[in-house]
Amino acid sequence: NAGVTQTPKFQVLKTGQSMTLQCAQDMNHNSMYWYRQDPGMGLRLIYYSASEGTTDKGEVPNGYNVSRLNKREFSLRLESAAPSQTSVYFCASTSTSVGEQFFGPGTRLTVL
Amino acid sequence: SQKIEQNSEALNIQEGKTATLTCNYTNYSPAYLQWYRQDPGRGPVFLLLIRENEKEKRKERLKVTFDTTLKQSLFHITASQPADSATYLCALEGGDSWGKFQFGAGTQVVVTP
Repeated sequence: NAGVTQTPKFQVLKTGQSMTLQCAQDMNHNSMYWYRQDPGMGLRLIYYSASEGTTDKGEVPNGYNVSRLNKREFSLRLESAAPSQTSVYFCASTSTSVGEQFFGPGTRLTVL
Repeated sequence: SQKIEQNSEALNIQEGKTATLTCNYTNYSPAYLQWYRQDPGRGPVFLLLIRENEKEKRKERLKVTFDTTLKQSLFHITASQPADSATYLCALEGGDSWGKFQFGAGTQVVVTP
């Protein structure tokens, strides 16, 4: 099992460009999450999906959109990147809403 | 607003000693509390989960306590080893945020031989 995979690992964007971060899990988990991690601020929830076909906003959803394509995949889209979105993005999944979360390796995004 | 506080200063500890980390929270009634370990450049890894009706949980050299009156969790690493050096995060879930987790900023632990 690969667990949770994320692509790309690194990305540099210019302000205003768009991109989609991909996440997939092969553990048959129902819930999936997108977080961003900034120095000194810990992980902040952007969006989460409790099950296929459902998504819900987290703490910092502005500037982002998500798609739960199927049970395995949960993508995060930046329509018009801003320097404030420079961060490390982690995807996570869990089999239940209160169980341990399995995290991907992260995507390091820089917006110039 | 809901707030989770972990000591932002690194905890430097000698090998073999017990490291104790604190997670305090306010305006929160979590049903569950989790602890994760994060190594530089990597995603967090789950360590322990403790429920609101549990006072203490152990796993090998790790021990977690959960005091809902004090609104505090303590995380202990006994007989610490240099390999325990990492950042440790607490995460809370529950109340009106079912299914959503809020993380603390983490505390870095440095274990020296």
